[in-house]
Amino acid sequence: DAGVIQSPRHEVTEMGQEVTLRCKPISGHNSLFWYRQTMMRGLELLIYFNNNVPIDDSGMPEDRFSAKMPNASFSTLKIQPSEPRDSAVYFCASTLGIGADTQYFGPGTRLTVL
Amino acid sequence: AQSVTQLGSHVSVSEGALVLLRCNYSSSVPPYLFWYVQYPNQGLQLLLKYTTGATLVKGINGFEAEFKKSETSFHLTKPSAHMSDAAEYFCAVSSPGTYKYIFGTGTRLKVLA
Repeated sequence: DAGVIQSPRHEVTEMGQEVTLRCKPISGHNSLFWYRQTMMRGLELLIYFNNNVPIDDSGMPEDRFSAKMPNASFSTLKIQPSEPRDSAVYFCASTLGIGADTQYFGPGTRLTVL
Repeated sequence: AQSVTQLGSHVSVSEGALVLLRCNYSSSVPPYLFWYVQYPNQGLQLLLKYTTGATLVKGINGFEAEFKKSETSFHLTKPSAHMSDAAEYFCAVSSPGTYKYIFGTGTRLKVLA
């Protein structure tokens, strides 16, 4: 299995630009998570999907952030417009279920907003 | 509500020495407990987890952790550190029927030659 795939691995953009991060979860997993990792705030849950439906988006910082999961094998996290404070590493993770199930993380996308 | 506290954001040990990374949790329901490791420029990967049953859990790379309910702890140990163990380690808590994993702030392990 290829594991969770994220693209791009690195993204450098200028303030005000739109940024789209992509994730392909492990086949057969029905739960998908987007996290943001920074030195100051650690690992923060942004949004959780179950069976392609957003269940909890309370961690999305503000309206500039949006996430979609059009099908079981693809999800996007979009920031529009981007700001320097959005600079972070964004992780996608998937699980077969919830509770005791292991979360499988992608390699992350390092976003730098200038 | 659940929470996780990792004592020590940075830990240094000599190669061959005991590794002890501390994790205390708070949970009003029986917890599921995890240790994840993150190598530079990589995502988190599972080291080990406790769900039910035996309280001493063995994981990959020679690591183990013991669930102590009375102490609300789930400390991670390894008898002999190797240079390749240098990484950041995260403790996490979950519970039955919930999708939320609460991660600790992480402990960066440095192994000295």
